[in-house]
Amino acid sequence: NAGVTQTPKFQVLKTGQSMTLQCAQDMNHEYMSWYRQDPGMGLRLIHYSVGAGITDQGEVPNGYNVSRSTTEDFPLRLLSAAPSQTSVYFCASSYSDRGGFDAFFGQGTRLTVV
Amino acid sequence: KQEVTQIPAALSVPEGENLVLNCSFTDSAIYNLQWFRQDPGKGLTSLLLIQSSQREQTSGRLNASLDKSSGRSTLYIAASQPGDSATYLCAAHGSSNTGKLIFGQGTTLQVKP
Repeated sequence: NAGVTQTPKFQVLKTGQSMTLQCAQDMNHEYMSWYRQDPGMGLRLIHYSVGAGITDQGEVPNGYNVSRSTTEDFPLRLLSAAPSQTSVYFCASSYSDRGGFDAFFGQGTRLTVV
Repeated sequence: KQEVTQIPAALSVPEGENLVLNCSFTDSAIYNLQWFRQDPGKGLTSLLLIQSSQREQTSGRLNASLDKSSGRSTLYIAASQPGDSATYLCAAHGSSNTGKLIFGQGTTLQVKP
């Protein structure tokens, strides 16, 4: 199994450009989420989904959109890139088993906005 | 609001030493507590998952404990090796069925040969 696949691995954007970070999982997990990791800030939740067609905001949602049309895919859209969005982005999927969750992460997308 | 704190932020030890990494959380109503390892420039690798009904989990030289009443988890690494050098992150799974994780800021471990 591929697990959680994120593309691209690296991206440089100019301020004001838009782009979509792709995330796909092949484990049939119901839950998916996006995090950003910044030095000294740890990982912070951007958006999450509890199933196809259902999404909600996390801790730092401004400037990002998501959709979940299928169980497998959970793309993250940057509407108008800003230097403050320079970060490493991680996608995660998880499932519920016997009352607990287990989470799996992609390898990350390193985004620089100039 | 759940907050997760990890102490210390950085740790340097000689090879062979046993060590403990600490994680504390403010809301005891968690589903799980999960420990991850992150190598520089890489993604997160799950090390141990402790369900809320469990007290500890073991995998090889790693042992993680969970005390919900005190809001603490520890990751014990026995006989540390240079290959253990990495950042270790703990994350609390929230009390609702969302799959959301609240992360600590991590402990960066260096094991010197």
